[in-house]
Amino acid sequence: DTEVTQTPKHLVMGMTNKKSLKCEQHMGHRAMYWYKQKAKKPPELMFVYSYEKLSINESVPSRFSPECPNSSLLNLHLHALQPEDSALYLCASSQLTSHQETQYFGPGTRLLVL
Amino acid sequence: GQQLNQSPQSMFIQEGEDVSMNCTSSSIFNTWLWYKQDPGEGPVLLIALYKAGELTSNGRLTAQFGITRKDSFLNISASIPSDVGIYFCAGQLPTPLVFGKGTRLSVIA
Repeated sequence: DTEVTQTPKHLVMGMTNKKSLKCEQHMGHRAMYWYKQKAKKPPELMFVYSYEKLSINESVPSRFSPECPNSSLLNLHLHALQPEDSALYLCASSQLTSHQETQYFGPGTRLLVL
Repeated sequence: GQQLNQSPQSMFIQEGEDVSMNCTSSSIFNTWLWYKQDPGEGPVLLIALYKAGELTSNGRLTAQFGITRKDSFLNISASIPSDVGIYFCAGQLPTPLVFGKGTRLSVIA
């Protein structure tokens, strides 16, 4: 099983709203990732969690707040977003072995900020 | 930072034709990955390559990890309409994952 699930699939929010994106995997992977993808562009890395600890933050604005409650779950809390934050948000996970850290992606959450 | 050059940017082919796309880098990688993405969906892993010179097949897809560790190619044989989508290469040493800009494939029936 190489499935990563994400909810919700679609989200529309106003600039004053607070919402959360959720990601789950049951592959025993110990690394989880958040990416942002704009139309016709490759995914851009936002955050990396290794063993439930934040290991990489790619200078993401504080209106995006990640959380890793346990090794299977990853959340992305959203607050006071801007219209330019509208994008496809992808979660991924991978094992943490020395040579084979293949990342598996979820289906994404399509976010529209009004 | 590291960059991948993926080509071609787009392709229009007839159903049944073979397809070839490639990625090159100025840096070496330990892993090359090829993903396919349909509109509004997440990237789906097609092939993972872990050793220089490795040649791996997955049905009609074949990919190779270049000997220099700076390049990789993906071939699709006998294309069908469901091959339509964007194909991304990605290199890893080991993290973060570096993506190419994608090859948009259109198949004309």
